[in-house]
Amino acid sequence: EADIYQTPRYLVIGTGKKITLECSQTMGHDKMYWYQQDPGMELHLIHYSYGVNSTEKGDLSSESTVSRIRTEHFPLTLESARPSHTSQYLCASHRVEGVTTNEKLFFGSGTQLSVL
Amino acid sequence: AQTVTQSQPEMSVQEAETVTLSCTYDTSESNYYLFWYKQPPSRQMILVIRQEAYKQQNATENRFSVNFQKAAKSFSLKISDSQLGDTAMYFCAFMKGLSGGYQKVTFGTGTKLQVIP
Repeated sequence: EADIYQTPRYLVIGTGKKITLECSQTMGHDKMYWYQQDPGMELHLIHYSYGVNSTEKGDLSSESTVSRIRTEHFPLTLESARPSHTSQYLCASHRVEGVTTNEKLFFGSGTQLSVL
Repeated sequence: AQTVTQSQPEMSVQEAETVTLSCTYDTSESNYYLFWYKQPPSRQMILVIRQEAYKQQNATENRFSVNFQKAAKSFSLKISDSQLGDTAMYFCAFMKGLSGGYQKVTFGTGTKLQVIP
């Protein structure tokens, strides 16, 4: 039903590498989010965007950065990965339909990042 | 600020039995949405059920139903006829109503549900 894609699905890299996690959605959603989740734990919002050229930091401090040059694309970048960045990263987008609603978040499959 | 509390870190249920997961929240908003998300071992988040705060009728989706008590700020999930595929982490989530800007979603800490054959 939902068309939101994250790549790569798994990523193992060495410390100090620059990485970009990709997230794309084909639903034309304005609002997109990045969540970080450690195993068995709750999701923490690290970045969000409510449109092109709009990005904000979330609740959890993160050394990552994001960009939103196109509506469908919301990549997350780590300039210099460290072992503390090891986690799952979930991308989500949100549909708003008028004033009633079908409000819900659509999630990608996530990227499991391991930094050695 | 909104908070979502799931007081049951882990639960188990026999296959074909019924189980209820609890969720309470705190908000001063009057217009909001509540969700239950399921996260199986594959880690993909899946929407199970949603409830609009302005609706008094409890939402149902096949074997899944909620008991929404707005005054008590309670939003429990009932799973009937539990199946092995229901084994997953379940997250309760709260989202403010439409306000023209960013709709922050607040998640609970999750309840790990194990369905036992």
